[in-house]
Amino acid sequence: QQQVKQSPQSLIVQKGGIPIINCAYENTAFDYFPWYQQFPGKGPALLIAIRPDVSEKKEGRFTISFNKSAKQFSLHIMDSQPGDSATYFCAASRPTGANNLFFGTGTRLTVIP
Amino acid sequence: DVKVTQSSRYLVKRTGEKVFLECVQDMDHENMFWYRQDPGLGLRLIYFSYDVKMKEKGDIPEGYSVSREKKERFSLILESASTNQTSMYLCASRGQGGNQPQHFGDGTRLSIL
Repeated sequence: QQQVKQSPQSLIVQKGGIPIINCAYENTAFDYFPWYQQFPGKGPALLIAIRPDVSEKKEGRFTISFNKSAKQFSLHIMDSQPGDSATYFCAASRPTGANNLFFGTGTRLTVIP
Repeated sequence: DVKVTQSSRYLVKRTGEKVFLECVQDMDHENMFWYRQDPGLGLRLIYFSYDVKMKEKGDIPEGYSVSREKKERFSLILESASTNQTSMYLCASRGQGGNQPQHFGDGTRLSIL
């Protein structure tokens, strides 16, 4: 079954808007929550990550909000730009095991100029 | 910088052919992964390997096999290609321990005619 649920599947915003992508998980063993960004023709690349001991992390225009009690986390992109148009994957990782990273199904973001 | 190199960006093969997809990483990572990416389905894990000659099935191993004879190289094999294996295939590698990020190649777009 899908260990990490992601929504929406696609998102269109105007330049300057704040797209929000949401993810939810059930397994309380997860202790690391990365986001990956994938441009067309490229593989996914790590964008930003958070641990559950903090509720928010910012890196530039990208912010992760984390709600441990609700087992939900989200990505916000401030002042979005056409160059942010990409597919975004949330993921959750547990501390042990070779295969310990579980991806959401992805959100295709389009930022209109 | 970690580099994961997939041997082909685009590949066209015929139904019933045996197909080899090659992946090489240059960071001495123990763990390597093969995913397929399809619209709306996200990244689905086919196989992974945590050491030379070691392999484990992922979520969708049917119709595929893998080979890891050297630490830096992980091959995906389609034993008898079928049209439903037309997809984007992504290779990734990850170091050992803790919450190491996965590093992806740029993918092979495989078409089976």
